[in-house]
Amino acid sequence: QQQVKQSPQSLIVQKGGISIINCAYENTAFDYFPWYQQFPGKGPALLIAIRPDVSEKKEGRFTISFNKSAKQFSLHIMDSQPGDSATYFCAASRPMEYGNKLVFGAGTILRVKS
Amino acid sequence: NAGVTQTPKFRVLKTGQSMTLLCAQDMNHEYMYWYRQDPGMGLRLIHYSVGEGTTAKGEVPDGYNVSRLKKQNFLLGLESAAPSQTSVYFCASRQPGRGTDTQYFGPGTRLTVL
Repeated sequence: QQQVKQSPQSLIVQKGGISIINCAYENTAFDYFPWYQQFPGKGPALLIAIRPDVSEKKEGRFTISFNKSAKQFSLHIMDSQPGDSATYFCAASRPMEYGNKLVFGAGTILRVKS
Repeated sequence: NAGVTQTPKFRVLKTGQSMTLLCAQDMNHEYMYWYRQDPGMGLRLIHYSVGEGTTAKGEVPDGYNVSRLKKQNFLLGLESAAPSQTSVYFCASRQPGRGTDTQYFGPGTRLTVL
């Protein structure tokens, strides 16, 4: 079963617009929620991450919003640029779990039109 | 500092053939992971290792074997390749513990099984 559900599958945004990608999780034991960015032909790379003790984390144009009661978190990309066109994955992990494994969402393909 | 490297970058196999994918990391990380990436399914964990000489099954281990004889290397083997194993394979590594949560990914191996 998919433990982390991500939507939408694909997204087209105009340059300068706001891109929003959403994730929902089932397991309340998750305590680490990263977003990974992947450009074509490359491996994923950590973009930004959050823990449940805060409701929002901002790094430049990228913001994670976290709603613990709804078991949802989202990535907001402000002033989206063509260079942001990539696949974005949300993920989650449990504390102290053997191997510190990440569970990934299905991914969102973002295209920013110039 | 090369980070995580993967060999080969591309490979085409016939059904029933075997091959080994090599992952190497120069960051002295204890944990290493093998994922497969398929369209619309995100990254799924195949096997992982928490240290030299250890391996464990992930979400989709069937048809794959792994070995971690040296800390810096993690090998993924396909004994008898099947078309269902056509995918892009990623290796990742990290240090254990809270505060060192980032998984560092390699560039991937694109495998086609005919």
